Amino acid sequence: DTGVSQDPRHKITKRGQNVTFRCDPISEHNRLYWYRQTLGQGPEFLTYFQNEAQLEKSRLLSDRFSAERPKGSFSTLEIQRTEQGDSAMYLCASSRTIDTMIDEQFFGPGTRLTVL
Amino acid sequence: KNQVEQSPQSLIILEGKNCTLQCNYTVSPFSNLRWYKQDTGRGPVSLTIMTFSENTKSNGRYTATLDADTKQSSLHITASQLSDSASYICVVSRGNNDMRFGAGTRLTVKP
Repeated sequence: DTGVSQDPRHKITKRGQNVTFRCDPISEHNRLYWYRQTLGQGPEFLTYFQNEAQLEKSRLLSDRFSAERPKGSFSTLEIQRTEQGDSAMYLCASSRTIDTMIDEQFFGPGTRLTVL
Repeated sequence: KNQVEQSPQSLIILEGKNCTLQCNYTVSPFSNLRWYKQDTGRGPVSLTIMTFSENTKSNGRYTATLDADTKQSSLHITASQLSDSASYICVVSRGNNDMRFGAGTRLTVKP
C-alpha cells in the first residue's frame, strides 16, 4: 500500500499526558499537512511542511503542539499536557507540487485521540 | 464564520435514488473547489477537483458543478448505493496550501 499511513489509529490518554502521532506520506510527496477534525465538522488546518521546512502554522496550534519532519519524509505531531478539548481526529495529508494551480492532497486514515 | 457552507447538514435517501448536495462559499481569491467523500473513521478521499474555468466534472456516478459567479457548487449522486453512505465535504482552495473546508453533508443511503 503506497498511500498515506498514520500511527496509531486510536489513542486514549489521560488529561495531562503527552502523546505523539506519526504520519508517513506517499513517498514522492514533498508536502505534508496536519489537520484536526472534530465530530460533525470538516478538517481544520494545523500546519504544513515542504520537505523538512515547516512553512505555516495555524493559530489553532497552541504552544502545547509541536510538529516535526526531520528528514523531509515522515512527520510527528506531539501534544503536551493534553486537555479534554484536544479529543479529535488528527488527519495527515501529503501532496506533490508539480502543478501550482492544483495541489491535490491525499489523506491518511487519521488518528483518533480521546483524552479522558 | 465558516467561508464554506454546505447544505443539507444531513440527508437520508433510499437506495437507487438520486440526490444533490449544495456548497456555497465566500472564499476569495478562488483557486479550485474539491469534493471529498469521507467514510466514518477514515480520511477524506477526493472525488472531483474543479478550477475556475470548469463548470462540471464527473467521476462515475458523481457529478460536480461549479458556478464561480454565484460561488455555488453542487454534487449530484446518481443511482445511489449503500456504499455511498458517508460525509461529503466541499473544500475551496485560495491557493496551494490554503484550503477552507465545509462541515460536510452526512448522507445515509437506506435499502
